[in-house]
Amino acid sequence: SAVISQKPSRDICQRGTSLTIQCQVDSQVTMMFWYRQQPGQSLTLIATANQGSEATYESGFVIDKFPISRPNLTFSTLTVSNMSPEDSSIYLCSVARDRLTDTQYFGPGTRLTVL
Amino acid sequence: AQTVTQSQPEMSVQEAETVTLSCTYDTSESNYYLFWYKQPPSRQMILVIRQEAYKQQNATENRFSVNFQKAAKSFSLKISDSQLGDTAMYFCAFRGGTNAGKSTFGDGTTLTVKP
Repeated sequence: SAVISQKPSRDICQRGTSLTIQCQVDSQVTMMFWYRQQPGQSLTLIATANQGSEATYESGFVIDKFPISRPNLTFSTLTVSNMSPEDSSIYLCSVARDRLTDTQYFGPGTRLTVL
Repeated sequence: AQTVTQSQPEMSVQEAETVTLSCTYDTSESNYYLFWYKQPPSRQMILVIRQEAYKQQNATENRFSVNFQKAAKSFSLKISDSQLGDTAMYFCAFRGGTNAGKSTFGDGTTLTVKP
């Protein structure tokens, strides 16, 4: 399995500001993903973080709003920019060692509240 | 594109009894992997069990077992001797080779174990 840490675990932010969430894995992984989840709801994939290149965003998510970095195979950041109350959610980092056979593992999540 | 359907949004079971959560999926791939994840209230998503499609034998992990019917594209989770700590949201997930390494998740089933 992979051990994943996320920082911060939770935050309360003001409208119009930005927050950067960090994801650190204890071993090198091929795949890193960022999800959004409302409490009690299913997961929504924001993007796949690609090492050394631009992230691949899902429909409805754009780089200007959710810039992502992945400088190496164990670390990624997700920034939520120009936040509004609609961005209040749990943000999850997820990893997999390969593109097919490995289990996808999840971090503990970052609970974001925007006032 | 793959789809994963969990037809039971909510279920409940008495402590010590057995419950089965349903999951169906649709794919044209022959090599893929199926997973059940557990997400307790306000806690981290963890892997419960995984099944390789090429294996005919159903996976088991202690009190958790699956009924994998490849032809029917069905992948149900059976929880035996249910415990209060099994109360959680359960997600069924599919991982194949044609979706850029991404998993497809069902909408989840909220399971409540009653004392």
